[in-house]
Parts: sequence; C-alpha cells; structure tokens
Amino acid sequence: NAGVTQTPKFRILKIGQSMTLQCTQDMNHNYMYWYRQDPGMGLKLIYYSVGAGITDKGEVPNGYNVSRSTTEDFPLRLELAAPSQTSVYFCASSYSGQVEAFFGQGTRLTVV
Amino acid sequence: AQSVAQPEDQVNVAEGNPLTVKCTYSVSGNPYLFWYVQYPNRGLQFLLKYITGDNLVKGSYGFEAEFNKSQTSFHLKKPSALVSDSALYFCAVRGSRTASKLTFGTGTRLQVTL
Repeated sequence: NAGVTQTPKFRILKIGQSMTLQCTQDMNHNYMYWYRQDPGMGLKLIYYSVGAGITDKGEVPNGYNVSRSTTEDFPLRLELAAPSQTSVYFCASSYSGQVEAFFGQGTRLTVV
Repeated sequence: AQSVAQPEDQVNVAEGNPLTVKCTYSVSGNPYLFWYVQYPNRGLQFLLKYITGDNLVKGSYGFEAEFNKSQTSFHLKKPSALVSDSALYFCAVRGSRTASKLTFGTGTRLQVTL
C-alpha cells in the first residue's frame, strides 16, 4: 500500500498566486487532516474531515480551503498566497479516533 | 479546547542512559494519547498510544510511556538511549468527546550523545 501520498514535495509560489496541495490515501480511512509545521512551533491543525462531504476548521484555517468529495482525497487550497504561509504542510489520515494517524511525507512551500 | 504541552524544547542524554520526554495534556472526556517521532525531512512516524487499560504502554524501538490520569501526563521513556534515537518527538491527544480532532504539542528535540 502507498499509504498517504502528498504532491508536490516542494513548491515556490509568488505572493498572490494560488495552488492546491494534493493528498490521497488508499487505506479507506474516514478521518483526514491537514497540518502546517513551522520551525519551533510544532504542528498546527488547519482543517480536518471525518468523512466524504464533511469538513471542519482546525486552529489556523484562515487563508485555506478544503473539500472532501471522496474518501480517498483531501486537497488543500491556497487562494491568495502570503509569505506567512511559508511552511511545511502535512496530510494525515486515520480510520477512527482511537487509532493512530498515518502521515504523508510533507510539502515544503515557500511564498516569495 | 484541548491542548498538549511539551515543556522541554530539547532533552540531552548520554547513550546508554535512561531518557524521559515529558508531555501533559488537557482534553474533554477520556484522553486518547499518542507519541510520534520525526526524523529530518521526513513525515511523522507513530511510536505508541494509550487508549484504555494498563497505564504503562510499550511501543516501537524500545520506547514506553506512562499514563497518569491525576497528573494529566503521558511521559515517553526509554531505559537505555541510543544515538539513533536522536530526533524530534511529538505528543498528541484526542478526547473521547472530540475523537476526530487530533492536537499536537510543540515537539521536543532529543539529542543522544556518545
């Protein structure tokens, strides 16, 4: 199994550009998550989803949007990129709340 | 709101000595607790979890953690550290009433030296 796959691995954006970070999982997990990791700041939850068609805001949702049209995919959209969105983004999934989450390898995004 | 505190930014230990990485939490309902490890330029890898039952849980690579309900703590331990254990360690929590939301601490960097 591939697990959780994120694309792209690296991306440089100019201020004001938009992009979509892709995340897909092949484990039939219900729960999916997007986190950002800033140096020394740990992981901050951006959005999460408990199933297709259901999404909810995390701690730092401003500037981002998500959708969950299928169980497998959970893309994260940046509409107007800002330097404050420079970070490493991780997607994760889990089958339920009582089991561990599996993480993708991350997307390193730089906004200049 | 649920939260996780990892009070130490870095823990230094000599190889062969025991190590402890501290974690305390705040959550509604019963806690579901997790430890993850992150190596440079990699995603997070699961180490161990506490859901219910025995307060001492054992996980991968010889790590264990002790759940203490009265102190709301879930400290990570290992009897004998290895240089290869050097990495960034994260504690995470879900609450039984908010089981979909997974909250992480800020991480603790473990440095094991010869």
